[in-house]
Amino acid sequence: GAGVSQSPSNKVTEKGKDVELRCDPISGHTALYWYRQSLGQGLEFLIYFQGNSAPDKSGLPSDRFSAERTGGSVSTLTIQRTQQEDSAVYLCASSLAGTSDYNEQFFGPGTRLTVL
Amino acid sequence: AQSVAQPEDQVNVAEGNPLTVKCTYSVSGNPYLFWYVQYPNRGLQFLLKYITGDNLVKGSYGFEAEFNKSQTSFHLKKPSALVSDSALYFCAVRDRANQAGTALIFGKGTTLSVSS
Repeated sequence: GAGVSQSPSNKVTEKGKDVELRCDPISGHTALYWYRQSLGQGLEFLIYFQGNSAPDKSGLPSDRFSAERTGGSVSTLTIQRTQQEDSAVYLCASSLAGTSDYNEQFFGPGTRLTVL
Repeated sequence: AQSVAQPEDQVNVAEGNPLTVKCTYSVSGNPYLFWYVQYPNRGLQFLLKYITGDNLVKGSYGFEAEFNKSQTSFHLKKPSALVSDSALYFCAVRDRANQAGTALIFGKGTTLSVSS
């Protein structure tokens, strides 16, 4: 496909379980971002990958959150020991990136996570 | 610190009337500014961006935005609203001077409702 894809589209889990969310960026996009969208909090930046550089993890809310990007393409966001406050829509975005970071980001449809 | 403010949670307009969705920003240097739109149960879609040059930027679906440096604003406008424009609109900023920070900072979003 031409756009950013995410899976699953919906995930319901029990408190304390681990979850993995997947993102397939647009082919050729070297920059990949994860955001979280929740009611009252708007869009929060979580983590950023650029090529083979060390990721910018400054937005991760706790050490229960981690992400990796394999081969510079697919990314997985992992939340360990989920809590109810983790319930949100997790959005992935990708962009062309270079020395000038004014390229627009293209967003996937999101994964809606519900922690019971 | 970078920030974006969208002072209106909701904007209501009648179809055919002009619309404005407000955005103000705060950055230490010169900004890159973006508008995104989110339709229900969909990811964010890019509308337009300001990088440099002409203060009036034209984007998708007939939208435009005016960059005003003295007022640190980047209001989204459309001369004639359509019912199909009803959606959630996000303003976002990136500080050019912040080479370490690459993610966009988003406003809380403004819900636009266009009535027929």
